Amino acid sequence: DAKTTQPNSMESNEEEPVHLPCNHSTISGTDYIHWYRQLPSQGPEYVIHGLTSNVNNRMASLAIAEDRKSSTLILHRATLRDAAVYYCILRDSAGTALIFGKGTTLSVSS
Amino acid sequence: GAVVSQHPSWVICKSGTSVKIECRSLDFQATTMFWYRQFPKQSLMLMATSNEGSKATYEQGVEKDKFLINHASLTLSTLTVTSAHPEDSSFYICSATGLAGVNYNEQFFGPGTRLTVL
Repeated sequence: DAKTTQPNSMESNEEEPVHLPCNHSTISGTDYIHWYRQLPSQGPEYVIHGLTSNVNNRMASLAIAEDRKSSTLILHRATLRDAAVYYCILRDSAGTALIFGKGTTLSVSS
Repeated sequence: GAVVSQHPSWVICKSGTSVKIECRSLDFQATTMFWYRQFPKQSLMLMATSNEGSKATYEQGVEKDKFLINHASLTLSTLTVTSAHPEDSSFYICSATGLAGVNYNEQFFGPGTRLTVL
């Protein structure tokens, strides 16, 4: 699987937008970009995924660069409950396992 | 969304005993289930992939005779840690992928099982 690079940690204030970057310069044409997050002592939770176009759902938005070598997860208004480790993962098909990197630890302050 | 449960949520056992962890997909059929292990302050590490009715495929470095995986039905997979030792203490997490058409590209995770071996 192609590798992703994320900052180790980021900080945000409550109610402010958060932009979590992810670099994936070796992405292949069939790789989907997935974002999961993990709250303390819980299993990972799906956030969003996309292939080429920007995506929006009730949790977040995913902005994908035109060359697909990077992407940004956008939390429009951070809350304290958004404090978690966010993982950016590439996967080429639904049947293969997600391989987790170190992710970005997001801290949210009130 | 689809729900995956794990049982037990936590377990404490003595060294040398075996522990079984169940992973169930509650409202969908899981063709493939995955088992991960996570040590404190570390990321999830894939242990094995199992398809219903087939033998599990283990990742390099994972002892298949120590971590027995059974995926007997489309809704249940079990992980048995045999002859557990303190170094097996970890957070074990399962996940499942459904049949095509059921959020096909999403992998659903269980809440995890905290194993402590004394």
